[in-house]
Amino acid sequence: EPEVTQTPSHQVTQMGQEVILRCVPISNHLYFYWYRQILGQKVEFLVSFYNNEISEKSEIFDDQFSVERPDGSNFTLKIRSTKLEDSAMYFCASSVATDEAFFGQGTRLTVV
Amino acid sequence: SQQGEEDPQALSIQEGENATMNCSYKTSINNLQWYRQNSGRGLVHLILIRSNEREKHSGRLRVTLDTSKKSSSLLITASRAADTASYFCATDTNDYKLSFGAGTTVTVRA
Repeated sequence: EPEVTQTPSHQVTQMGQEVILRCVPISNHLYFYWYRQILGQKVEFLVSFYNNEISEKSEIFDDQFSVERPDGSNFTLKIRSTKLEDSAMYFCASSVATDEAFFGQGTRLTVV
Repeated sequence: SQQGEEDPQALSIQEGENATMNCSYKTSINNLQWYRQNSGRGLVHLILIRSNEREKHSGRLRVTLDTSKKSSSLLITASRAADTASYFCATDTNDYKLSFGAGTTVTVRA
């Protein structure tokens, strides 16, 4: 069964460093998303991406964040200068339309 | 806020019993989706119910939607130990994002 894959599963980084989280969405999906979940809290929407541009973004998704679809298969989230409060599980998701969204297993980001 | 809110926050049941959890939301939706999350793992899509549907079944899962009350329920019948997880509702207002609730933590005792 097709699935969304994310790498790495766990990333530890020093405060102030840049990180890139990678995702391979399901191949025939057209909409891509990033969400995050701080430990013990709700899953929060960050950004959606369609037709090579951002469709919607939340207040969390400030200038420190960016997304890119560098080729036909990968979808990346970059955090330019990480802060301690960026520590969270980051989920990538994809969907055919604005419909059932399928999530990856997540990347646990720990900023120290 | 558009976020769904689940009730109860936690539920502990015996294997074989049914588990029911509810979700309430605030504004009109395009669809509502239920997800399961095992501890520290990814979100597994369970079922999607559209705003023009009232009930949907998938295996041991039954979802209802009452748009007049802005609420949904998820019923898991004949629960198993493997159903132990957190369950989230997520609302879609057709604006390219899902709004998640805080979840219901279900523990199924053997």
